[in-house]
Amino acid sequence: KQEVTQIPAALSVPEGENLVLNCSFTDSAIYNLQWFRQDPGKGLTSLLLIQSSQREQTSGRLNASLDKSSGRSTLYIAASQPGDSATYLCAVLVLTNAGKSTFGDGTTLTVKP
Amino acid sequence: DAGITQSPRYKITETGRQVTLMCHQTWSHSYMFWYRQDLGHGLRLIYYSAAADITDKGEVPDGYVVSRSKTENFPLTLESATRSQTSVYFCASSESRSEAFFGQGTRLTVV
Repeated sequence: KQEVTQIPAALSVPEGENLVLNCSFTDSAIYNLQWFRQDPGKGLTSLLLIQSSQREQTSGRLNASLDKSSGRSTLYIAASQPGDSATYLCAVLVLTNAGKSTFGDGTTLTVKP
Repeated sequence: DAGITQSPRYKITETGRQVTLMCHQTWSHSYMFWYRQDLGHGLRLIYYSAAADITDKGEVPDGYVVSRSKTENFPLTLESATRSQTSVYFCASSESRSEAFFGQGTRLTVV
């Protein structure tokens, strides 16, 4: 059974800092990995999707990498802003799991002005 | 509007009542999902559907019923609501093994 872990559970940084969020998974036979952002009381917003054949994806100040062999993905946020404060979740789709993703519990990020 | 919408956004119901949460998507995605999100448990899959008239259980299906007679709709019914079903419910859709998109959620309180 795929298990997805996100460490740390919470992170607080000053504005302008570059930061890395981590996601690890136990089954490396994945189809894709997706990073989401969730603001309090809101739904999940898709940030980046990395297919298993890809090493990284970039969108603006966000860069996500994938290393299947080590079962890890990182989300890099450059020049953090208070508006980046949210919970970030990763979700892994395993090849044998018929479309069902497994989610980590998320990292809650606070960017202080 | 294009996207995925859930209704109602908020619902308070009594123990034992039947409640139906609605989910509608405009992309004609094959896959649709229902999750519940609880503090300490993260997101847990209740049911999913790979196509119209095809549904299957997720991690926590007990007490819930789904149907999918049309591709765009995937209602979730709580047959006899219990306090343990107080939660935030999210619907999501995706094309086969592609990016998943989530609705804004329904906050359900069972009293």
